[in-house]
Amino acid sequence: GNSVTQMEGPVTLSEEAFLTINCTYTATGYPSLFWYVQYPGEGLQLLLKATKADDKGSNKGFEATYRKETTSFHLEKGSVQVSDSAVYFCALSEGDSSYKLIFGSGTRLLVRP
Amino acid sequence: NAGVTQTPKFQVLKTGQSMTLQCAQDMNHEYMSWYRQDPGMGLRLIHYSVGAGITDQGEVPNGYNVSRSTTEDFPLRLLSAAPSQTSVYFCASSSRRGRGAYNEQFFGPGTRLTVL
Repeated sequence: GNSVTQMEGPVTLSEEAFLTINCTYTATGYPSLFWYVQYPGEGLQLLLKATKADDKGSNKGFEATYRKETTSFHLEKGSVQVSDSAVYFCALSEGDSSYKLIFGSGTRLLVRP
Repeated sequence: NAGVTQTPKFQVLKTGQSMTLQCAQDMNHEYMSWYRQDPGMGLRLIHYSVGAGITDQGEVPNGYNVSRSTTEDFPLRLLSAAPSQTSVYFCASSSRRGRGAYNEQFFGPGTRLTVL
């Protein structure tokens, strides 16, 4: 079946450091890929998305590129801030099934001043 | 717009008790889903609905019932609570658009449930 694998956390960085959170997936067909962010005590919010191969999603300085050849969707940010501290989830949906997301286990990011 | 609302925020149950987690959305979304979040496992889909009167099972449906009598509401019922159902529960909704368009899921703030 379809699945998403994320790097384990926590990831601890100093402010202004470069961030990479790895995400790989297994899927049949042509999934859409997403990064969701969960701030402490809150629900999940969509951070960025990509719906086909080679698409780059971007938002708030975060980027991720849909790599079909490596089945990856790694999240990157050039300079993290303390306010980026949160849990990040990689997810996929099968085609138009936007109500049936498959999530990775989440990666906690801690950014120190 | 309030978006997706969930009640209660916290709940403690004893084994064998039943309860209903409430979820409502005011965005006129056709799709609604329930997920549970457990440490190290991400979110897993419990049940979902593609419209009023239509529900289906997700990845982990055992021990839970749902119904969708209106577009706005999608309650989740625990029939006989077990410690394994201790988790954080999230409700989400999204709209139905044309083929090929992605419809963002909007999540509620969650309900933290503890079963003793």
